[in-house]
Amino acid sequence: LAKTTQPISMDSYEGQEVNITCSHNNIATNDYITWYQQFPSQGPRFIIQGYKTKVTNEVASLFIPADRKSSTLSLPRVSLSDTAVYYCLVGNSSASKIIFGSGTRLSIRP
Amino acid sequence: NAGVTQTPKFRVLKTGQSMTLLCAQDMNHEYMYWYRQDPGMGLRLIHYSVGEGTTAKGEVPDGYNVSRLKKQNFLLGLESAAPSQTSVYFCASSYDTGGPRTGELFFGEGSRLTVL
Repeated sequence: LAKTTQPISMDSYEGQEVNITCSHNNIATNDYITWYQQFPSQGPRFIIQGYKTKVTNEVASLFIPADRKSSTLSLPRVSLSDTAVYYCLVGNSSASKIIFGSGTRLSIRP
Repeated sequence: NAGVTQTPKFRVLKTGQSMTLLCAQDMNHEYMYWYRQDPGMGLRLIHYSVGEGTTAKGEVPDGYNVSRLKKQNFLLGLESAAPSQTSVYFCASSYDTGGPRTGELFFGEGSRLTVL
């Protein structure tokens, strides 16, 4: 399983774009990159998943460079409700032992 | 369609007592997981199952046992609770392959356990 490294915490302000980068140097050819969001007292929930280049949905964008050794979750125009912990995971469809890292604690201020 | 349901949601135990946490999913998922989360920390995998009748150890399996007698249920047992097992426990399930989003985990609301 590919190990991931991400910042422990980040701060930003409402209306700003926030970019959280995850490093995964030993990502395998068939691995996907998945991001989860966790609010206090709730279980994590899926945000976005990608394999290469760029993926965008109604919540976020995911940028993956050609070497796939890192990825960046981009949250456009954040609000206070985006305050949460964000986890980056790397694995493939047959991976059953899914390990979470420490995540990035994002705090949004007015 | 309830998704992933955990019971109980709260429990207080005394050291040495035993208890079982139940996780039920109605999505016909093959894979199921138990995680624990201590205050301010990430999730740590306790045990997981890749199908009915199978279980496997995760990162922190000591002090816990699990069973998957039915596909929809995954039980987590504490035979002799210790204060170090005070935590929030999350159950999750996922497709093995062929899901709309590869390996997407669906989580329950969590079970808060306090061991005195």
